[in-house]
Amino acid sequence: DTGVSQDPRHKITKRGQNVTFRCDPISEHNRLYWYRQTLGQGPEFLTYFQNEAQLEKSRLLSDRFSAERPKGSFSTLEIQRTEQGDSAMYLCASSLARGGMNTGELFFGEGSRLTVL
Amino acid sequence: AQSVTQLDSQVPVFEEAPVELRCNYSSSVSVYLFWYVQYPNQGLQLLLKYLSGSTLVESINGFEAEFNKSQTSFHLRKPSVHISDTAEYFCAVSFTGGFKTIFGAGTRLFVKA
Repeated sequence: DTGVSQDPRHKITKRGQNVTFRCDPISEHNRLYWYRQTLGQGPEFLTYFQNEAQLEKSRLLSDRFSAERPKGSFSTLEIQRTEQGDSAMYLCASSLARGGMNTGELFFGEGSRLTVL
Repeated sequence: AQSVTQLDSQVPVFEEAPVELRCNYSSSVSVYLFWYVQYPNQGLQLLLKYLSGSTLVESINGFEAEFNKSQTSFHLRKPSVHISDTAEYFCAVSFTGGFKTIFGAGTRLFVKA
């Protein structure tokens, strides 16, 4: 399977604990995105990487959230001191931008569902 | 600010009936437009897209959407739906020269036998 993969698919944690999600994009894609989706809403942009550089972060991304993409390959999204409001589906997507031109077409993984008790 | 509005949160329809899912966007710059579909327990996948050229775009499974610049709309239509079309549909917009894709809140299409 050469699609976007995310791990774990489901995570249940207690309030105050730290969690980390991993995303493996399509190998030739240079852009990687994290989105958050809550019930009844569309995906909300969190952050994106061009290769290994994190170029944009949403105001939704508080200081408790950190994302990395070492060497421009897989990415991790860590949430520290989780709160119940962090419960959501965390989606990873990747895309290929050539010469700085991006058509915006995203390829999504199946998501990591976080439940904070 | 750019935004996407999907006017219907749920659309129930009988099998073989036509359907239209409405989408309007707001932007001061040129856009690319998309419809993504999310089947139960699956990730989002691209259904169709408008980048340039013909304003009417089609998917392989019979959906079509028309870009209407004057009305800033990109409504999704299918002349005859199947049970298997039951899913959530998201309209999305990205901006030429930009990086971010903004999604609407989604429309749940429920096809009844």
